[in-house]
Amino acid sequence: EPEVTQTPSHQVTQMGQEVILRCVPISNHLYFYWYRQILGQKVEFLVSFYNNEISEKSEIFDDQFSVERPDGSNFTLKIRSTKLEDSAMYFCASTQQGIEAFFGQGTRLTVV
Amino acid sequence: AQSVTQPDIHITVSEGASLELRCNYSYGATPYLFWYVQSPGQGLQLLLKYFSGDTLVQGIKGFEAEFKRSQSSFNLRKPSVHWSDAAEYFCAVGVRTGANNLFFGTGTRLTVIP
Repeated sequence: EPEVTQTPSHQVTQMGQEVILRCVPISNHLYFYWYRQILGQKVEFLVSFYNNEISEKSEIFDDQFSVERPDGSNFTLKIRSTKLEDSAMYFCASTQQGIEAFFGQGTRLTVV
Repeated sequence: AQSVTQPDIHITVSEGASLELRCNYSYGATPYLFWYVQSPGQGLQLLLKYFSGDTLVQGIKGFEAEFKRSQSSFNLRKPSVHWSDAAEYFCAVGVRTGANNLFFGTGTRLTVIP
């Protein structure tokens, strides 16, 4: 069964450093998303990506964040200068027609 | 603006007992509705979804949910809970425009006791 894969499963970084979280969506899917879940809180929408551009983004997705689909298979989330409050589980998701989202296992980001 | 409310933060049931997890949504039109389950340290797995048509939808692992437009609810049910159902359950609303971003409730943690 096709699945969304995310790497790494856990990333520890120092405050102020740049991190790149990687995702390989399901191959025939067209819409890609990043969500985050701060420990003990709900899952929050960050950004959606379609046709090689951002289609929507939330207030959380400020100038420190960027997304890219560099090679037609990977979908990355970059945080330019990490803050302590960026510590969270980050989920990548993809859908074929913008309806049913399939989620990856997540990357736990710890900023120290 | 769309929102999802899961009024029960934590529910404890005995194995074999029935289960109902509540979900209420706020959205201007009929949304897409989803239930996801998250086991400890795991990602989000789709249990079931409602798009249109029959308001009672069946999902995986013996779960079902009923969409009630008049109550803006999409409650999740299971007639007999198994110990392996212990997890966090999230209700989500998908808006029917654009990329259909999902908006999640705060989740209900289910504990199953022997």
